[in-house]
Amino acid sequence: GDSVTQMEGPVTLSEEAFLTINCTYTATGYPSLFWYVQYPGEGLQLLLKATKADDKGSNKGFEATYRKETTSFHLEKGSVQVSDSAVYFCALNQGAQKLVFGQGTRLTINP
Amino acid sequence: DVKVTQSSRYLVKRTGEKVFLECVQDMDHENMFWYRQDPGLGLRLIYFSYDVKMKEKGDIPEGYSVSREKKERFSLILESASTNQTSMYLCASTSGDRAYEQYFGPGTRLTVT
Repeated sequence: GDSVTQMEGPVTLSEEAFLTINCTYTATGYPSLFWYVQYPGEGLQLLLKATKADDKGSNKGFEATYRKETTSFHLEKGSVQVSDSAVYFCALNQGAQKLVFGQGTRLTINP
Repeated sequence: DVKVTQSSRYLVKRTGEKVFLECVQDMDHENMFWYRQDPGLGLRLIYFSYDVKMKEKGDIPEGYSVSREKKERFSLILESASTNQTSMYLCASTSGDRAYEQYFGPGTRLTVT
């Protein structure tokens, strides 16, 4: 079945550092790909999405590019802030209502 | 402002008790979901519903049931709680035409002792 694998956490960085969180997927066909973020004490919220190969999703300074050849959707940000501390989930969707989530990566940014 | 609310943020129950977790959304969404979130396992789908009185099993339905009598409300029922059901439970909803953009509640942390 479809699956999503994220890099192991937790990830700890200093403010203004460059962030990469790796995500790879296994799926038949051509899924849509997403990053969701869960801030402390809150539910998940959609951060960005890409629906086809080579699409780049972006929001709040975060970016991710849909790479079909490497089946990847890595999340990047050039300069992280303390307020970016959260758990990040990579997910895929094959057109049905359901999403398949990765295991989540906890990110902590120190001032 | 769209909202998904869950009846409790924290809940402690004893083994064997019947447990009800309630979820309400105010967006007139057709689809509603129940997940459990465990460290290292991410979110796993328990059940979802795409219409009133309609339900489908997710990946881990064993030990759970659901009820959707009204469009805005989706209940998760643990018929006889067990310690391995200690977890964070998340409810989500989405409209039919933007099924990927799920709106989540804040979660219920259930502890079964």
